[in-house]
Amino acid sequence: AQRVTQPEKLLSVFKGAPVELKCNYSYSGSPELFWYVQYSRQRLQLLLRHISRESIKGFTADLNKGETSFHLKKPFAQEEDSAMYYCALLPVGSQSGGYQKVTFGTGTKLQVIP
Amino acid sequence: GAGVSQTPSNKVTEKGKYVELRCDPISGHTALYWYRQSLGQGPEFLIYFQGTGAADDSGLPNDRFFAVRPEGSVSTLKIQRTERGDSAVYLCASSLESGGARETQYFGPGTRLLVL
Repeated sequence: AQRVTQPEKLLSVFKGAPVELKCNYSYSGSPELFWYVQYSRQRLQLLLRHISRESIKGFTADLNKGETSFHLKKPFAQEEDSAMYYCALLPVGSQSGGYQKVTFGTGTKLQVIP
Repeated sequence: GAGVSQTPSNKVTEKGKYVELRCDPISGHTALYWYRQSLGQGPEFLIYFQGTGAADDSGLPNDRFFAVRPEGSVSTLKIQRTERGDSAVYLCASSLESGGARETQYFGPGTRLLVL
């Protein structure tokens, strides 16, 4: 079974400071990893996925298979980045076949202080 | 265009009662998912529909939970004999095709269920 761990419930940083939201996973196969974001009073939405290797709103995340991590980073935090961030894993290549369920972490609340 | 909608936005019920939660997916989306999010937790998969059929219902916690999607569009999550532990936000999501969870899922605003 797969597992996603986000060790920090709350991360507070000052505006302009670098941000790193940690995500570690456990899965024996080759997963696909995602970051979802939920801004205040808005719905959950996909921020980025590792296979796209893209930067969204200045955020990037690199899949490190050796460390089984998928940390979300941004060099300079903005106030509008304040939100809940969820790391999620899709167990691609599962031997069980069929639909593969996305497993979410417990989330990290990012608070950017003006 | 219109996103995924869910009704009601809030539901308060008493222990033992029956509730129905409705999800309207994005038009044309064939895949529909239900998740449950308890306080302080991430979304937890409940059930996945491809068209009218439940392709995977392994996340339903017990037989008090049931979901239908009779015409392949709107879905209803039904909870019988509600318990206080059922209190959570119930999220619905839809995606365009049956590419499994690789397809981008678009989430609704959720229904906040409180069982007293």
